[in-house]
Amino acid sequence: NAGVTQTPKFRILKIGQSMTLQCTQDMNHNYMYWYRQDPGMGLKLIYYSVGAGITDKGEVPNGYNVSRSTTEDFPLRLELAAPSQTSVYFCASELDGTASGNTIYFGEGSWLTVV
Amino acid sequence: AQRVTQPEKLLSVFKGAPVELKCNYSYSGSPELFWYVQYSRQRLQLLLRHISRESIKGFTADLNKGETSFHLKKPFAQEEDSAMYYCALNAGGTSYGKLTFGQGTILTVHP
Repeated sequence: NAGVTQTPKFRILKIGQSMTLQCTQDMNHNYMYWYRQDPGMGLKLIYYSVGAGITDKGEVPNGYNVSRSTTEDFPLRLELAAPSQTSVYFCASELDGTASGNTIYFGEGSWLTVV
Repeated sequence: AQRVTQPEKLLSVFKGAPVELKCNYSYSGSPELFWYVQYSRQRLQLLLRHISRESIKGFTADLNKGETSFHLKKPFAQEEDSAMYYCALNAGGTSYGKLTFGQGTILTVHP
């Protein structure tokens, strides 16, 4: 099992460019999440998905879009990148959303800088 | 809305000393609390959850609803405990696995 895999690990974007952060998991988990972590701050939820074809907004969704066409993949798209989106992005997955009983698995993170 | 506060960004102790990482939360319901840890060059991983009332790697944490706290404690710190620690809260119910994280505390254990 590779667990949760994110690509790319590092990326520099120019203001106004677009890009997609890829996330895939091979654990057949239904629930997937995207968090961002700004310097000195805790992780904040951007979007989440409870299954293929179902997505919903988290705490900080503005400037992002997601899709969940398969159970394995949960890409995060940045449209019109802005310096405020400079952050570390973490993808995570979980079997069925019962955090008390399950373990949430995180990817290694993707460092994004917008200049 | 729920909130998690970790008042210390940095915490340094010597090997063998007791360590306590503080976590306070605000939430009107019955939360589920967790501690996550990120060792150098590793991914974020679950350390322990309050509902299990377990001890992992010598760490324990007790949920104190009166003080709305979930402090992480270890009686004798080891060098390998050096890491970033995050306290996190899940509101339960239809919140699924969505977590609210504190800012994190960097623990350094000196030899």
